[in-house]
Amino acid sequence: QKEVEQNSGPLSVPEGAIASLNCTYSDRGSQSFFWYRQYSGKSPELIMSIYSNGDKEDGRFTAQLNKASQYVSLLIRDSQPSDSATYLCAVNSDGGTSYGKLTFGQGTILTVHP
Amino acid sequence: DARVTQTPRHKVTEMGQEVTMRCQPILGHNTVFWYRQTMMQGLELLAYFRNRAPLDDSGMPKDRFSAEMPDATLATLKIQPSEPRDSAVYFCASGPFGTDQPQHFGDGTRLSIL
Repeated sequence: QKEVEQNSGPLSVPEGAIASLNCTYSDRGSQSFFWYRQYSGKSPELIMSIYSNGDKEDGRFTAQLNKASQYVSLLIRDSQPSDSATYLCAVNSDGGTSYGKLTFGQGTILTVHP
Repeated sequence: DARVTQTPRHKVTEMGQEVTMRCQPILGHNTVFWYRQTMMQGLELLAYFRNRAPLDDSGMPKDRFSAEMPDATLATLKIQPSEPRDSAVYFCASGPFGTDQPQHFGDGTRLSIL
């Protein structure tokens, strides 16, 4: 069973702080990793993708990947109340009949309070 | 801006009735996914198509659920007969072929079975 685990929430941070969201995965052959944001009552929205070890920055968001540790994280700098949402980590299977299938974590609820 | 289109957005019906949900994937995307999301189970993959062929429907209760893709612009998910435990939000997602490609979600169908 290929699994994706996210740090248990909910996570509450003050406005302007750094929010750190973590995710581990069990399939060592995984190659592609994604973070989705889901506002309450809305659909998941892709915010970051990362494929190689290291950091990838996009505005206030930084994704970090460490394949040796099977660990991927998302940092949100200067957190805003509008960042309050559920963040889903998704990992792409490596092949076979699962080719292209994403395995999602349970999500971490983030609340940014003024 | 290309989007996955799902209809209906909301559906309320009585137990035992047939429910049909429709999805129009993004033009050019050849992988289509059906998910179910509940508070308890999170995001569950029900079925997965590539080039209109079903690849994985192991997450779908076979006795009452069926998924088809009659053409490249339409995917359907049917429940017959429906039960109260089927109440959930059903999402369709599509993506281009490839393990490095993310999926893009539709707005979902919020289904309530009375």
